[in-house]
Amino acid sequence: DSGVTQTPKHLITATGQRVTLRCSPRSGDLSVYWYQQSLDQGLQFLIQYYNGEERAKGNILERFSAQQFPDLHSELNLSSLELGDSALYFCASSVAGVNSPLHFGNGTRLTVT
Amino acid sequence: DAKTTQPTSMDCAEGRAANLPCNHSTISGNEYVYWYRQIHSQGPQYIIHGLKNNETNEMASLIITEDRKSSTLILPHATLRDTAVYYCIVRPRKSQGNLIFGKGTKLSVKP
Repeated sequence: DSGVTQTPKHLITATGQRVTLRCSPRSGDLSVYWYQQSLDQGLQFLIQYYNGEERAKGNILERFSAQQFPDLHSELNLSSLELGDSALYFCASSVAGVNSPLHFGNGTRLTVT
Repeated sequence: DAKTTQPTSMDCAEGRAANLPCNHSTISGNEYVYWYRQIHSQGPQYIIHGLKNNETNEMASLIITEDRKSSTLILPHATLRDTAVYYCIVRPRKSQGNLIFGKGTKLSVKP
């Protein structure tokens, strides 16, 4: 158990809809990262937050947004969903220090029908 | 960031040591080598990381060549539960940022 909690585990929704994925980092971790894993793309970095502020952006679509709250939990919002958004979405967290390993949750499996 | 090259797949007999190679010939002096694994659709699991000295923990050993252009992850006594995709990642030394995952090596441990 990595200590990173993601909810829900599974989500099935229709095209055009909007969903929110939630992540609770390990206790004491200030950084949160979001990754997307689809069959043909592997693990793709989406976005990183550090102590409530956006730190880095990867291949995140404009239809997607994220935030980190004062209690350090994070939410990833996906809107105007398309079939191609079906994927596993992972959250990871790390402590503040340099070269701290990322610890991943077990993901949310999103299916868009 | 330096690029890594790993074999697509490997097999290992249960109980034997699994040696997973990684080439990172363009690695710079301020970059660490990280290893993660992903067991069938679970979240990636951190295994070990190192800069230039060999490292060992309860999961594995990491051997980095003297010129740092390649490394080997060693699972000393592989079990069926070690079947997974193993990722070798190079990360800047002072990084507080994300990890970039490649395609990794699919390790199959067979009875």
